[in-house]
Amino acid sequence: GAGVSQSPRYKVTKRGQDVALRCDPISGHVSLYWYRQALGQGPEFLTYFNYEAQQDKSGLPNDRFSAERPEGSISTLTIQRTEQRDSAMYRCASSWERFGETQYFGPGTRLLVL
Amino acid sequence: AQSVTQLGSHVSVSEGALVLLRCNYSSSVPPYLFWYVQYPNQGLQLLLKYTSAATLVKGINGFEAEFKKSETSFHLTKPSAHMSDAAEYFCAVSPLRGGKLIFGQGTELSVKP
Repeated sequence: GAGVSQSPRYKVTKRGQDVALRCDPISGHVSLYWYRQALGQGPEFLTYFNYEAQQDKSGLPNDRFSAERPEGSISTLTIQRTEQRDSAMYRCASSWERFGETQYFGPGTRLLVL
Repeated sequence: AQSVTQLGSHVSVSEGALVLLRCNYSSSVPPYLFWYVQYPNQGLQLLLKYTSAATLVKGINGFEAEFKKSETSFHLTKPSAHMSDAAEYFCAVSPLRGGKLIFGQGTELSVKP
């Protein structure tokens, strides 16, 4: 079956622009996670949802970052007024479990802010 | 605070040699532990996980890991390396036994012919 998909795969934007990154989880998966991965580092947790409810947003670095999952399926991570330090790989994962014991990762979106 | 430390950002082994990738964790409660592998331009793939059952966990592609509470370690091993094992490997802890994962910084494995 289809895995987790993310779009776009690559995004180049200018500083100050807003970007929206999309995650399409595996069908039927309950929980959805967003991570950010800097070059040479492990993924860093941003936020996660059970169904449409945002359970934990403690990893969002500041109020320019927000995420939603309005219908409990597709999720969008939005970064407003992008800065160069936002450049990273953004990864999405989903799990059939509410507490995400096993998370399946998408290929990621590589964001470059010029 | 929970954390994961992977000793060695880069490990190189010869084909057929033992693979040993080290991971130590810090957690106030017995955690769940994971190893993921990342191939170039692909997402992270789960190799194996420990969720408080058997301390020796077998995963895919011949990898296994042993949970040692006394050493707070979860090292990944494979008896005989294959060229296709070359990738980046991440150890992760789920301190709340679910929810967010906390990852180590990764270890890049190279396999020499």
